Formats: sequence, structure tokens, C-alpha cells
Amino acid sequence: KAGVTQTPRYLIKTRGQQVTLSCSPISGHRSVSWYQQTPGQGLQFLFEYFSETQRNKGNFPGRFSGRQFSNSRSEMNVSTLELGDSALYLCASSLTGSNEQFFGPGTRLTVL
Amino acid sequence: AQRVTQPEKLLSVFKGAPVELKCNYSYSGSPELFWYVQYSRQRLQLLLRHISRESIKGFTADLNKGETSFHLKKPFAQEEDSAMYYCALKIKSGGSNYKLTFGKGTLLTVNP
Repeated sequence: KAGVTQTPRYLIKTRGQQVTLSCSPISGHRSVSWYQQTPGQGLQFLFEYFSETQRNKGNFPGRFSGRQFSNSRSEMNVSTLELGDSALYLCASSLTGSNEQFFGPGTRLTVL
Repeated sequence: AQRVTQPEKLLSVFKGAPVELKCNYSYSGSPELFWYVQYSRQRLQLLLRHISRESIKGFTADLNKGETSFHLKKPFAQEEDSAMYYCALKIKSGGSNYKLTFGKGTLLTVNP
């Protein structure tokens, strides 16, 4: 089976812009979770989507949003970018969300 | 508050020496814990979970509810064990929904 894919792999934006990241889960996986990874904070949970519905949400501001499509592909959007949003954004898929998560390679976002 | 603590950001040992990566958790429910590993230039991946009581790549981890710990151990470290290790706790987020909370990670370096 193909693994979790994320596009783009690298992104450079400036403050105030918005960005959309994409994640394609492993075929058959219905749950997609998003994480922000930084050296100081480690992995922080953003949100989880299951069958096109947001099922879990972390403690991030409303500038961070996401959605899931009927084919389980997911996108996350960050509006009004801030310097502190620079991070590696990881997507993980799983069959139901509560068992093993399979991670993608991540999207490295740099905000200038 | 539900929390995972990995007290050591960095851990350095020599090849053949025993290694223990510490993980403590705070959770009012019945805990389910995992260790994830990220080797250099590779994706984050599941190493082991406590319910399986398995040994993977020589690593074991025992859940100690009295000490609220889930330390990862290996009797003889190998250079290929050098990686970032994350402890994760599955927590109930409402209804039948769960999410993973990660510690900030420990970077293990095994020196020759």
C-alpha cells in the first residue's frame, strides 16, 4: 500500500498570507489527524477528521482550520500567517483514529 | 490535566550500554500508551504500544500505573537506535472519540 502523502513538501510564505496543505491518507483509512511539530513544543495535535467530520480539536486558534473530502483526503488551512506558525506540519492516517497512526513526511512551512 | 512528560530532551549513551528513555503521564482514565520513533530523514512511526506487551528492535516498555510511567528500555544500545523518541498517550476526548497526546520527545544518540 502507498503511504501517507503530503503536498507540498516545502512552503515559504510571508506574514499575513494564508496557506493550504494537503494530505492523502493510506487507502482505506478514514481518519486523518494533523499535528504541528516544532523543536520547542514537539508534536502538538491540531485536529482529526473522520468521515468528513471534525471529530477532535486541539488548542489552536481559529486561524487553523481543516476539512476532509469524501475520498478521505484532507486539507488544512492557516489564515493570517504569523512567524510562530513556522513548523513541520504532519498528517497521520489510521483506520478508525484510535489505533496505530501512520505518518506522512510532513510539510515544512516557513513564514517570513 | 492530561499530560505526557519526557524529562530528558537529550540522552547520549555508548554502544552496548543500557538505555532508558523516561516517560511519565497524567491521566484520570485508563491509560493506553505508545512509543513512536523518528529516525533521521524518516517518518515518524510506531515503535510499540503497551497493550501488546511486545519487544520491538530489543526495546520494551512496561506500564507502571503506580508511578504513572511508561519508560522505554533496551539492555544493549546500538548505533542504529539513534533517533528521536516520542511517548504518546491516548486520551478520551468526548463520547467514543480519542486523540493522541505526545510528549516533547527525547533525542537519543548512541555513540560508537
